[in-house]
Amino acid sequence: EVQLVESGGGLVQPGRSLKLSCAASGFTFSNYYMAWVRQAPKKGLEWVATISTSGSRTYYPDSVKGRFTISRDNAKSSLYLQMNSLKSEDTATYYCARQKTTRVSLFDYWGQGVMVTVSS
Amino acid sequence: DIQMTQSPSSLPASLGERVTISCRASQGISNNLNWYQQKPDGTIKPLIYYTSNLQSGVPSRFSGSGSGTDYSLTISSLEPEDFAMYYCQQDASFPYTFGAGTKLELK
Repeated sequence: EVQLVESGGGLVQPGRSLKLSCAASGFTFSNYYMAWVRQAPKKGLEWVATISTSGSRTYYPDSVKGRFTISRDNAKSSLYLQMNSLKSEDTATYYCARQKTTRVSLFDYWGQGVMVTVSS
Repeated sequence: DIQMTQSPSSLPASLGERVTISCRASQGISNNLNWYQQKPDGTIKPLIYYTSNLQSGVPSRFSGSGSGTDYSLTISSLEPEDFAMYYCQQDASFPYTFGAGTKLELK
């Protein structure tokens, strides 16, 4: 059974950093692109980052580019999101998601999400 | 960036009813359109990929169609578990973008 379990969320002050982790199991992690998607309170979904199977390619929207870094450790079947210079608008539930295939970018498995609150 | 406009934002409906949710892209996305369902507890489930392909395990009452800039999700006969939020998402180009969502509510 595919499982994605996020951790590392919490309350953080504006301007500070936080690192999220996602532990994957039930599939060969190194074979899949992975992503982070977030959802601000009472708002819709927003794609945050995608990483290739080897980690050599990463993609971000302008809203987080230069502040967030997605990475992975295939030996540990783990995905990470390093978030720097956090802003109040980064407050959201962050979901780890698996991309179906390298050609089909559907997010076919999602974690339960981890809450990040940016506030002084 | 490609903007995704979903309609309606809220859709009251009855059990057994047929409903359709629409999604319009700000430019052509060549059928690179996915649909998701989100339950009140936050659980997100993929439904359809590449416009009309049913994800494994999704009931056949769900279907998708469209082309160019206009796409739709249809549920042929509503079941109690279908009342939830629905989102479209384009993966034609980065940044991937989602529609604002449609809340399917029991009338």
